[in-house]
Amino acid sequence: DAKTTQPNSMESNEEEPVHLPCNHSTISGTDYIHWYRQLPSQGPEYVIHGLTSNVNNRMASLAIAEDRKSSTLILHRATLRDAAVYYCILRAADGSSNTGKLIFGQGTTLQVKP
Amino acid sequence: EPEVTQTPSHQVTQMGQEVILRCVPISNHLYFYWYRQILGQKVEFLVSFYNNEISEKSEIFDDQFSVERPDGSNFTLKIRSTKLEDSAMYFCASRPLRRPPYGYTFGSGTRLTVV
Repeated sequence: DAKTTQPNSMESNEEEPVHLPCNHSTISGTDYIHWYRQLPSQGPEYVIHGLTSNVNNRMASLAIAEDRKSSTLILHRATLRDAAVYYCILRAADGSSNTGKLIFGQGTTLQVKP
Repeated sequence: EPEVTQTPSHQVTQMGQEVILRCVPISNHLYFYWYRQILGQKVEFLVSFYNNEISEKSEIFDDQFSVERPDGSNFTLKIRSTKLEDSAMYFCASRPLRRPPYGYTFGSGTRLTVV
C-alpha cells in the first residue's frame, strides 16, 4: 500500500476554513484517496474520497493535485466538533490481490480553538 | 443513517480467558473487517472477511484469533486465550459491493481490558 505523509498536528479557529494537507508521491494510477476522521473515543468515520477530480460532500471538500501526488481536505467552517484525528489513506481499486483493507497512519490531530 | 453496532462497549476479562466481540454490520454490506487500536497508537488492520471466508489477515491475527459470521447478520471476533497485550479498542467495519470504493462504516468499538 502506498504511503501518505501528513503533519502531526494543526490548529484552527472556530468558524474558519481548515486545509489539511496530505502528500502521496508514490500513488499509483488506480489508488483512490480516502479521508477518515476519528473523534475522541470513537471509531473512524468516513469523510470523503476521490480519484482525480475534486470532490464535495456535506462534510468537506477534497482538492486533488493535477499530478495526484498530493491532496488537501478542506473543512469550510471548522466547529469544535471537528476536533479529531484526520487520516489520509490510499486504497487500491478492488482486485484479486486487494481485499480493501485500510492502512492507517498517525494522521493529523486537528485542534479547533473557540 | 445505517450504523455498525458493536457489543459490548467495554469488556474486562482475565488473562487466559476466551472473549467474543460482536458486531452487526450494515445489512446490505458484503465486506467485513476487524481493526484494533492500542491506547495512543495507530488503528491496525486485523482481518478482512468476504463471502463467508477470511480474505486477508495481518500478522497480528494469529491462531488465537478467529472470526465468524454465524447467522448472516452477526460478525464476531473471538480471542481464544487473551493476553495482557490484547487490551485495546476493537473496531468492526463493513462496506458495500465491489465497485468504486465506497466509504467504510466503522462501529463505535469494544474496549477490551485484559487483567
